[in-house]
Amino acid sequence: DGGITQSPKYLFRKEGQNVTLSCEQNLNHDAMYWYRQDPGQGLRLIYYSQIVNDFQKGDIAEGYSVSREKKESFPLTVTSAQKNPTAFYLCASLADHYQANYGYTFGSGTRLTVV
Amino acid sequence: AQSVTQLDSQVPVFEEAPVELRCNYSSSVSVYLFWYVQYPNQGLQLLLKYLSGSTLVKGINGFEAEFNKSQTSFHLRKPSVHISDTAEYFCAVSGRGSEKLVFGKGTKLTVNP
Repeated sequence: DGGITQSPKYLFRKEGQNVTLSCEQNLNHDAMYWYRQDPGQGLRLIYYSQIVNDFQKGDIAEGYSVSREKKESFPLTVTSAQKNPTAFYLCASLADHYQANYGYTFGSGTRLTVV
Repeated sequence: AQSVTQLDSQVPVFEEAPVELRCNYSSSVSVYLFWYVQYPNQGLQLLLKYLSGSTLVKGINGFEAEFNKSQTSFHLRKPSVHISDTAEYFCAVSGRGSEKLVFGKGTKLTVNP
């Protein structure tokens, strides 16, 4: 079955350390997204990419970086500049408008904790 | 730009009772609307979506929603809830031609026996 795979499911980061969250999809979707979820705040957009080798900042991009070297992969790096990284991170992809299943598909998430 | 307001952060109901989760949106352009469900420590699962056509949309697990353009609302309803419906529900909107999905802050539905 097609879908989005996020790894790891749980991740612990020490102060001052960079960590990378993996997101892989086999849905052949062009657009991919990273969201951050905090209790009571819904989901906020960090970065998105509509095509390979191109990406745009979302609403809360500071302290994060991404790359899009392959259509299937959209990894997110949480840098030491992100002062409050503890959160649940969700990756998503978007089917094209002309497809009958148009809509966003989400991965199962990565829970990042600063120790 | 779009925004979404989910009017209730928590909704407690008894099993087999009806439920309505309220969602209002604002947008200067036509929109696509979505409802997602999230179980603890899991990703989001699509319940239903409105893209065009009939304003009454039926989704999975017996849920339905009605798009009301004049009231800019997209409320989610279920006539009889089960314990297994206990979860957090998110309303989301994207502007037509936009590739960005904007979420409400979520409504926690708790179904009690």
